Amino acid sequence: DIVMTQSPDSLAVSLGERATINCKSSQSVLYRSNNNNYLAWYQQKPGQPPKLLIYWASTRYSGVPDRFSGGGSGTDFTLTISSLQAEDVAVYYCQQYYSTPATFGPGTKVDIK
Amino acid sequence: EVQLLESGGGLVQPGGSLRLSCAASGFSFSTYGMNWVRQAPGKGLEWVSTIIDGGGRTYYADSVKGRFTISRDNSKNTLFLQMNSLRAEDTAVYYCAKDFRKNSYDSSSCYPIFDYWGQGTLVTVSS
Repeated sequence: DIVMTQSPDSLAVSLGERATINCKSSQSVLYRSNNNNYLAWYQQKPGQPPKLLIYWASTRYSGVPDRFSGGGSGTDFTLTISSLQAEDVAVYYCQQYYSTPATFGPGTKVDIK
Repeated sequence: EVQLLESGGGLVQPGGSLRLSCAASGFSFSTYGMNWVRQAPGKGLEWVSTIIDGGGRTYYADSVKGRFTISRDNSKNTLFLQMNSLRAEDTAVYYCAKDFRKNSYDSSSCYPIFDYWGQGTLVTVSS
């Protein structure tokens, strides 16, 4: 199984400031044949199900604000919130869908400083 | 509007059984793969199982293989998860989730991206 790790476990950022979350996979999730990274990001607010933010490592899902961006390739990925808003307080998970079983990172909690 | 509504959770003794349902609406249910993802209290997300659009192929996490069975009734737009031989470690909120892409599988693997999630149903396994 591909093991996903995230860092930091939690971070607190001032409103309007940048938040960056790192995700690392135990093996590459880049398919050479189509040059796609099989990596998604989700946001989960307390008491709610997760919401899809990013897929193919950097493609924003429909309706996701453009302050959210994804980057990276191979085994190292980032989720960046360019200007943190109060409604962004949540836990963020990365997920690989390169191989079965699909696996998630442990999550990163984002709070307001 | 896509809606997924889980039901069937509850308290069950170790070794017992439970059947979860997920009623889907707002999209062409029979043309998408469907999934179950669970979250133990205060913990992260764990993929449990996937079933392809027509129901002819299924995939399971090792932790539930042989104990859980995923199925679907496309005539009723409903997804199911039959859970047998339940253990304490199966205690979790179980989410039904729609696959973002069509045909995101092959003969041995599935490649799900979860774009819509239900609110979840809590399964507690305890004596």
